Amino acid sequence: KAGVTQTPRYLIKTRGQQVTLSCSPISGHRSVSWYQQTPGQGLQFLFEYFSETQRNKGNFPGRFSGRQFSNSRSEMNVSTLELGDSALYLCASSPITGGNTEAFFGQGTRLTVV
Amino acid sequence: DQQVKQNSPSLSVQEGRISILNCDYTNSMFDYFLWYKKYPAEGPTFLISISSIKDKNEDGRFTVFLNKSAKHLSLHIVPSQPGDSAVYFCAASPTLSGNTGKLIFGQGTTLQVKP
Repeated sequence: KAGVTQTPRYLIKTRGQQVTLSCSPISGHRSVSWYQQTPGQGLQFLFEYFSETQRNKGNFPGRFSGRQFSNSRSEMNVSTLELGDSALYLCASSPITGGNTEAFFGQGTRLTVV
Repeated sequence: DQQVKQNSPSLSVQEGRISILNCDYTNSMFDYFLWYKKYPAEGPTFLISISSIKDKNEDGRFTVFLNKSAKHLSLHIVPSQPGDSAVYFCAASPTLSGNTGKLIFGQGTTLQVKP
């Protein structure tokens, strides 16, 4: 079974631009969550999608948004990029929403804003 | 407000000895806990989990202990191996009340196992 796939792996953007990151979950997994990892803040929850619906949202500004498609693939978008958005963005998939199941992570997209 | 805390940023142990990584949490709604291991430039890899109805869960060299009254959990690795050197994250989930796939992570502990 293929793991969680995130594209692209690396990205360099300029302040003020917008960016879209993609995540393909493990086949059969319907829940996709996004996390931001920075050296100072650790891993922080952005949002979770299940059946194309956002089920939970973290404490991030509205510049961060996401969506999920009918095949469970998910995208997250960051508009009006700021230097502080430079981070590793991780996507995780789970077979169900909630419940006692672990989340499986992709390798992440390293975003650098210059 | 850091709801999950790993107070030791780093830990160094000798190969073959026990590694003990600690984690504290503040939210009594958390009822499911997980440990992840992360190498640089890779995503976190799931190690082991424990539900709040248990106080111990074991998987090979890895054992997680949960003390609900103290809101404390620990990960024991015995025996430690050089390949265990990585950053270890503790995570918690409030699975009640429809709180879904959200995991709250600690800041991580960097484990170094010396040959």
